[in-house]
Amino acid sequence: AQSVSQHNHHVILSEAASLELGCNYSYGGTVNLFWYVQYPGQHLQLLLKYFSGDPLVKGIKGFEAEFIKSKFSFNLRKPSVQWSDTAEYFCAVNQNNAGNMLTFGGGTRLMVKP
Amino acid sequence: DTAVSQTPKYLVTQMGNDKSIKCEQNLGHDTMYWYKQDSKKFLKIMFSYNNKELIINETVPNRFSPKSPDKAHLNLHINSLELGDSAVYFCASSFGTGANGYTFGSGTRLTVV
Repeated sequence: AQSVSQHNHHVILSEAASLELGCNYSYGGTVNLFWYVQYPGQHLQLLLKYFSGDPLVKGIKGFEAEFIKSKFSFNLRKPSVQWSDTAEYFCAVNQNNAGNMLTFGGGTRLMVKP
Repeated sequence: DTAVSQTPKYLVTQMGNDKSIKCEQNLGHDTMYWYKQDSKKFLKIMFSYNNKELIINETVPNRFSPKSPDKAHLNLHINSLELGDSAVYFCASSFGTGANGYTFGSGTRLTVV
């Protein structure tokens, strides 16, 4: 069974600091990769996704993620965070031949201090 | 227009009661899901339905019974509620295998007292 690991459980940054959140998955086949964001009290919203092609994908709100196949990683980055980026971030993986199941990592809680 | 809507948004109930959470999507998706998010924010899939047929049924107590009257609706009925059922339940939908990602509802916060 596939698993998704987010090693940073809590991250605290000051505004304008750079952000990188780690995500690793265990499945060796073809995967689709996603990052979702959950603002306090809200539902999950898609930040960005990777299917194929350029391993550096750009999403909304200045976020980007890089797929490194050899490391089974899909880390999320943002050059300069804002207070409004305070949220929970979830990495998710969908295997191309594993039906409809989207497996989520445990989430990373980001707090940005003004 | 809400794409995936869940009702109610909040539900407080006593142990032993039976309750239902409703979910509807107007995106034309053919697959719907229920996820449970616990107090530590961990998201775990419970059920997946494709065109009204159950395709994923993870290890959940049989007190939880999903019902899909049509492909736009996936309701969750819970019998004999327990304290441990307290969580936020998210409905989601997608096309086919979900390779384009899911669209999530706003969640139902269930508190069992």
